[in-house]
Amino acid sequence: NAGVMQNPRHLVRRRGQEARLRCSPMKGHSHVYWYRQLPEEGLKFMVYLQKENIIDESGMPKERFSAEFPKEGPSILRIQQVVRGDSAAYFCASSPEWNEQFFGPGTRLTVL
Amino acid sequence: TQLLEQSPQFLSIQEGENLTVYCNSSSVFSSLQWYRQEPGEGPVLLVTVVTGGEVKKLKRLTFQFGDARKDSSLHITAAQPGDTGLYLCAGATGGYNKLIFGAGTRLAVHP
Repeated sequence: NAGVMQNPRHLVRRRGQEARLRCSPMKGHSHVYWYRQLPEEGLKFMVYLQKENIIDESGMPKERFSAEFPKEGPSILRIQQVVRGDSAAYFCASSPEWNEQFFGPGTRLTVL
Repeated sequence: TQLLEQSPQFLSIQEGENLTVYCNSSSVFSSLQWYRQEPGEGPVLLVTVVTGGEVKKLKRLTFQFGDARKDSSLHITAAQPGDTGLYLCAGATGGYNKLIFGAGTRLAVHP
């Protein structure tokens, strides 16, 4: 059973470009969470999604950030017009129900 | 704002020593999870504790959840160099089980 998959593992963008981060949950998991880990800081919750629904986006910046989890395909975290402060490691986690969360390897975003 | 205070922040010990990492909060959590994270990788789940007062053992690691479900501890017996890493506690909160993470304890075990 493959674990949570994220791609790309590393992403470099220039200021003003768009970043798209993908997350494929573990098989059978319908709950996806996104977290951000800034340099030298702990992981912070961003958004929680189920298939085709955003359930809780209380941790996501109001502008430039969006997330989706379509009926088919991976969950996408999209950052428009990236700025240097967006440089961080972005992790997604999946769970079968509201219990243990299993994390992917993360995408490390660097904004030049 | 819910916070999880994790201590110590850094721990450097010799092989064979015992250690305890603490995770404290003023908030009640529905469950608490411990993770270990290697550089450049995602957190790997070690254990989930759910019931107040619960104790779980994983080989040389012992995890305890406080009676009031506000705090937890991780005890490692006879630490080995392979235990070196970043240990994170995370409390599940709210109806949707989103995790509040502690800042982590960076453990170094020297041969």
